[in-house]
Amino acid sequence: GEDVEQSLFLSVREGDSSVINCTYTDSSSTYLYWYKQEPGAGLQLLTYIFSNMDMKQDQRLTVLLNKKDKHLSLRIADTQTGDSAIYFCAKQAPSNAGKSTFGDGTTLTVKP
Amino acid sequence: DTEVTQTPKHLVMGMTNKKSLKCEQHMGHRAMYWYKQKAKKPPELMFVYSYEKLSINESVPSRFSPECPNSSLLNLHLHALQPEDSALYLCASSHGGAGFYEQYFGPGTRLTVT
Repeated sequence: GEDVEQSLFLSVREGDSSVINCTYTDSSSTYLYWYKQEPGAGLQLLTYIFSNMDMKQDQRLTVLLNKKDKHLSLRIADTQTGDSAIYFCAKQAPSNAGKSTFGDGTTLTVKP
Repeated sequence: DTEVTQTPKHLVMGMTNKKSLKCEQHMGHRAMYWYKQKAKKPPELMFVYSYEKLSINESVPSRFSPECPNSSLLNLHLHALQPEDSALYLCASSHGGAGFYEQYFGPGTRLTVT
């Protein structure tokens, strides 16, 4: 997606932390989402954060938002082989109700 | 129940065939979506239905025809498709209306056009 950018690949060792990064444009208030897609499957919503928040934690997942730099990150603690998937960052703005803009996805590979 | 179901899981069709994809949700959501996803790419929005009315059509060719018979069901009718239409077709739903609502995706239908 042209408004949302992600690095394409990340490789980590099992048990390490993974950090997947995303940058976005558009200064209006927005929700930012992280989705996980395993091979041959649909998208699974992992978590989301509103653009006036700094951080959100949900079990092994931590989302950090740098509003000034429009930089979003997803940290996965104690990464497992089952976390291997493509992770999409997406944004949704009120002016485009129902439309989400997706990044190109980051392929996370977890090595045992 | 936080599930969106899609049938069939796989579909192979010729360029002269007519087929339909189906999507169903029982979460009481009032917005439903069709996306097309090519391999290793993000989903591309095709259509949005809000309260059973078509609210967004992303300039999709007329060989794709959506239908929302009721708030739980969404169909995508296919006719005279091209090989480049081969892709994973994803359905999603959300609460709908004004505001921000997370979308729940189905597992998709893998479509191959021969």
